[in-house]
Amino acid sequence: EPEVTQTPSHQVTQMGQEVILRCVPISNHLYFYWYRQILGQKVEFLVSFYNNEISEKSEIFDDQFSVERPDGSNFTLKIRSTKLEDSAMYFCASSEVSLSGNQPQHFGDGTRLSIL
Amino acid sequence: DAKTTQPNSMESNEEEPVHLPCNHSTISGTDYIHWYRQLPSQGPEYVIHGLTSNVNNRMASLAIAEDRKSSTLILHRATLRDAAVYYCILGYGNKLVFGAGTILRVKS
Repeated sequence: EPEVTQTPSHQVTQMGQEVILRCVPISNHLYFYWYRQILGQKVEFLVSFYNNEISEKSEIFDDQFSVERPDGSNFTLKIRSTKLEDSAMYFCASSEVSLSGNQPQHFGDGTRLSIL
Repeated sequence: DAKTTQPNSMESNEEEPVHLPCNHSTISGTDYIHWYRQLPSQGPEYVIHGLTSNVNNRMASLAIAEDRKSSTLILHRATLRDAAVYYCILGYGNKLVFGAGTILRVKS
């Protein structure tokens, strides 16, 4: 069964440094998402991306965050200047196109980001 | 975003059916009812979704009340691998809003 893959599984970065988290969505999916989960807390939506542009973003997704689909297979999340509070599990997801939001989202196993 | 209410935790015996309830009294007519689960140290996993009618798939069944103000996820025979946090999520559109979910413990 096709799956969403994320790399690296664990990223350790110094505060203030830039970090890029990478995802390979399922190949025929056209909607992409990033979520995060701070340890012990709920899974939080960050951003959705379709047709090479952001379709929706949360308040968490401020100017420090950006997303990109640099080629036909990868989908990346960049944090420009990391803060301690960015430490979390970051999950990428993808889905088929649905205007009514009734297509399942398929999640990767996440990247654990630790900011020192 | 419409809210859901789920029990904090439930316990089941292995090989027995499990009924996980969800209340969503403020559901709107266009909201789908989605269920996801999250196994330890993994990303969320889609389980099932529906709009008005009951739904079955290889993983579970979803029973939706006639007034749509509540729903029940049914695992027909719980296994140890089903121990996870189960999330009931309402949505129209492509953003999933996760709550705290129900922690399901399965005893052997």
